[in-house]
Amino acid sequence: QVQLQESGPGLVKPSETLSLTCTVSGDSIRSHFWTWIRQPPGKGLEWIGHMHHSGSTNYNPSLRGRVTISVDTSKNQFSLKLTSVTAADTAVYYCARLAAVAEGGWFDPWGQGTLVTVSS
Amino acid sequence: DIVMTQSPDSLAVSLGERATINCKSSQSVLYSSNNKNYLAWYQQKPGQPPKLLISWASTRESGVPDRFSGSGSGTDFTLTISSLQAEDVAVYYCQQYYSTPLTFGGGTKVELK
Repeated sequence: QVQLQESGPGLVKPSETLSLTCTVSGDSIRSHFWTWIRQPPGKGLEWIGHMHHSGSTNYNPSLRGRVTISVDTSKNQFSLKLTSVTAADTAVYYCARLAAVAEGGWFDPWGQGTLVTVSS
Repeated sequence: DIVMTQSPDSLAVSLGERATINCKSSQSVLYSSNNKNYLAWYQQKPGQPPKLLISWASTRESGVPDRFSGSGSGTDFTLTISSLQAEDVAVYYCQQYYSTPLTFGGGTKVELK
């Protein structure tokens, strides 16, 4: 059974960098694309981006170059970095496996999510 | 970007009754070369991550009860719960994977009447 678990600071100061890690168990990170999605409190879902261990990435243009997703195959983990955060980046951040189809796909399974609050 | 619009925002349904959720895309998500609709449905219960219910607009995931069904093509899609159970109370989202950025509908909250 594939499981994903997010980890990282729950509080980040404005203008700083949000950093999260997703640990994958029950599957090899080399076998699929992996993705980050976020959900502001009480709101809908926003795709952040995804990547493959080969280095192929695809990011949401709405994040305007602030996002980087990377993979650590030795630890079976992938990570998210979001720079220059503001209060608008406060959200529950989910990691998920992408069932890749063409340049996109659907998300399954998901991690439990981690709330990141941007505040001074 | 493909904008996904769901309706209604919320609906209250009695136990055993039918719930119907609509999802409309701003452009077709039907890929002509394979005649497949690039659309998925998710269920999100309070405090939980979304769970994939349906891919390709109508293909139920393994383990999903058959009271859940997806239909539609092109730009108009429907998720139907044929006989609502208490455990179906949740927010439901559609998502297109025809093109990036991958986008979701705003969600439909299903409650018990």
